[in-house]
Amino acid sequence: EVQLEESGGGLVQPGGSLRLSCAASGFSFNNYWMGWVRQTPGKGLEWVASISQDGTDQLYVDSVRGRFTISRDNARNSVYLQMHSLRAEDTAVYYCVREGRATIMLAYHWGRGILVTVAS
Amino acid sequence: DIQMTQSPSSLSASVGDRVTMACRASQNITNYLAWFQQRPGKAPKSLILAASTLQSGVSSRFSGSGSGTDFTLTISNLQPEDFGTYYCQQYDNYPATFGQGTRVEVK
Repeated sequence: EVQLEESGGGLVQPGGSLRLSCAASGFSFNNYWMGWVRQTPGKGLEWVASISQDGTDQLYVDSVRGRFTISRDNARNSVYLQMHSLRAEDTAVYYCVREGRATIMLAYHWGRGILVTVAS
Repeated sequence: DIQMTQSPSSLSASVGDRVTMACRASQNITNYLAWFQQRPGKAPKSLILAASTLQSGVSSRFSGSGSGTDFTLTISNLQPEDFGTYYCQQYDNYPATFGQGTRVEVK
């Protein structure tokens, strides 16, 4: 069974940084693209970033490019989202998702999600 | 970015009903369309990809159709566990984009 467990969320001040982690199990981690999707009551669901199997390719939505970095550690079956220069509009539930082997930006499996709140 | 528009925004239905909802893309996405179900307080769950391919383990009461710009999700014989919000998503063009959701409520 595919399992994805996010950690690292919480309250951070505007301009601050936070690092989300996602521990994956139940599948061959290094065979799949991985990604992050976020959800807010106002904007709904928004795809944030994706990373290729070996980590060499990363894709970002324009609103986070240059501030967020997605990375992975295949030895630890983990994917990360480093977030800098956080803004109030980054407040959301962040979901770790497993994408496809060749199909990207499509979430086949979702974690439970973790809340990030950017506020002073 | 491709805009995804879902209709209706909400609907009321009873157990046993057949329910249909629509999703329209602002440009041709061939069949790169997925549907997700989200129950209150839970993460979304993948139902359908490639417009009409049921994900493993998903009930055959769910079906998807369409291509190009217009797509439909149908739920036959609505069950209590089917109430929630349904989202479509295009993954043809970067960035992937989601519709705003159709909420299925108890009548």
